Amino acid sequence: AQSVTQLGSHVSVSEGALVLLRCNYSSSVPPYLFWYVQYPNQGLQLLLKYTTGATLVKGINGFEAEFKKSETSFHLTKPLAHMSDAAEYFCAVSAYNQGGKLIFGQGTELSVKP
Amino acid sequence: DVKVTQSSRYLVKRTGEKVFLECVQDMDHENMFWYRQDPGLGLRLIYFSYDVKMKEKGDIPEGYSVSREKKERFSLILESASTNQTSMYLCASSFRGGGSTDTQYFGPGTRLTVL
Repeated sequence: AQSVTQLGSHVSVSEGALVLLRCNYSSSVPPYLFWYVQYPNQGLQLLLKYTTGATLVKGINGFEAEFKKSETSFHLTKPLAHMSDAAEYFCAVSAYNQGGKLIFGQGTELSVKP
Repeated sequence: DVKVTQSSRYLVKRTGEKVFLECVQDMDHENMFWYRQDPGLGLRLIYFSYDVKMKEKGDIPEGYSVSREKKERFSLILESASTNQTSMYLCASSFRGGGSTDTQYFGPGTRLTVL
């Protein structure tokens, strides 16, 4: 069975500071990993995903994530937070031959202080 | 641009009512999904469908049913709404050819309140 754990339901950073949102997964088969963002009163949209190949993945809006198999982690980072990054972020995992089903983490709400 | 639309943004229903939530996508996607989103629980899969007239249970199907008569439309039905079904409901779609790596595209959500 697969699962995802996001450490910290709320994270607060100052504008211009580093953003680090943590995600650990559990999977008995090679995972495919996703980060989605949900802005207030909107649906989710894809930030980035890891399937195979390069373990450092770059996404939209300056975000990136690194797949670390030894640590079963896929943490999301952004060097310089912007006020517009305030949103809820979800990590998700799927696996080969699962028909595209995703297992989501609990979500992390990011606040950005001026 | 992929577009997934949901019939209502906000809905208020009474306990025991039959409730229909509609979702339409315009990208000819085979896969469609219904999730509910609750604070601290993330998104949980209710039902999904790989093709017209096909459906499979997700992790929390109890109290729900679905219908997919046309490829672009996937309906979620609450046969007899209860207060514990008050939640945000999100619909998503994806291209089956991408398999497990394909992106899911989400609608804006329906916030359902059951009184």
